[in-house]
Amino acid sequence: NAGVMQNPRHLVRRRGQEARLRCSPMKGHSHVYWYRQLPEEGLKFMVYLQKENIIDESGMPKERFSAEFPKEGPSILRIQQVVRGDSAAYFCASSQDRMGQPQHFGDGTRLSIL
Amino acid sequence: DQQVKQNSPSLSVQEGRISILNCDYTNSMFDYFLWYKKYPAEGPTFLISISSIKDKNEDGRFTVFLNKSAKHLSLHIVPSQPGDSAVYFCAVMNYGGATNKLIFGTGTLLAVQP
Repeated sequence: NAGVMQNPRHLVRRRGQEARLRCSPMKGHSHVYWYRQLPEEGLKFMVYLQKENIIDESGMPKERFSAEFPKEGPSILRIQQVVRGDSAAYFCASSQDRMGQPQHFGDGTRLSIL
Repeated sequence: DQQVKQNSPSLSVQEGRISILNCDYTNSMFDYFLWYKKYPAEGPTFLISISSIKDKNEDGRFTVFLNKSAKHLSLHIVPSQPGDSAVYFCAVMNYGGATNKLIFGTGTLLAVQP
């Protein structure tokens, strides 16, 4: 009865490198949401995906960030050419369908940029 | 432009007493409201929710009150226990809208003193 699984839990990258964050939703859930929490702030929505489709990416920075949720495998949040300001906790949540609430969260990936 | 505000960054209460956490929102289009609890280094855990057709929802020690005219919701925890010490986030959404993204407040750190 696994919940939302995120890996890695901690990720350290140097400026200019790429970061890949993975999220496996709860069993039976086909909707995935990514949120970012900067230090001393609340969680902020980034992107909402259904299998093979991006439904809402209004919270994604226009450059360097991308997300996918392929037919098989986990959802991936990809950050290219990371900068210090990308240091944050990235949380993934899932729901059974578009109307399904509440969203269930994973324990996050803490990204640190050196 | 903060759409969801939790004006108390922290709250300290004695064990056994009532904890009241407050949340204000700006947009009357929001019609579904949730409270999450978060421990350090973990993801948010869903506590309780309420839709705009109700003004109160109760689950054990947790009760959420909604005042639509004031655009205000509150979470009551009674009696408070030391294990309740955590950061509490309120979140709002437009249920059934084009996207089910959650908009979070900045959180209130609750400390329950034994």
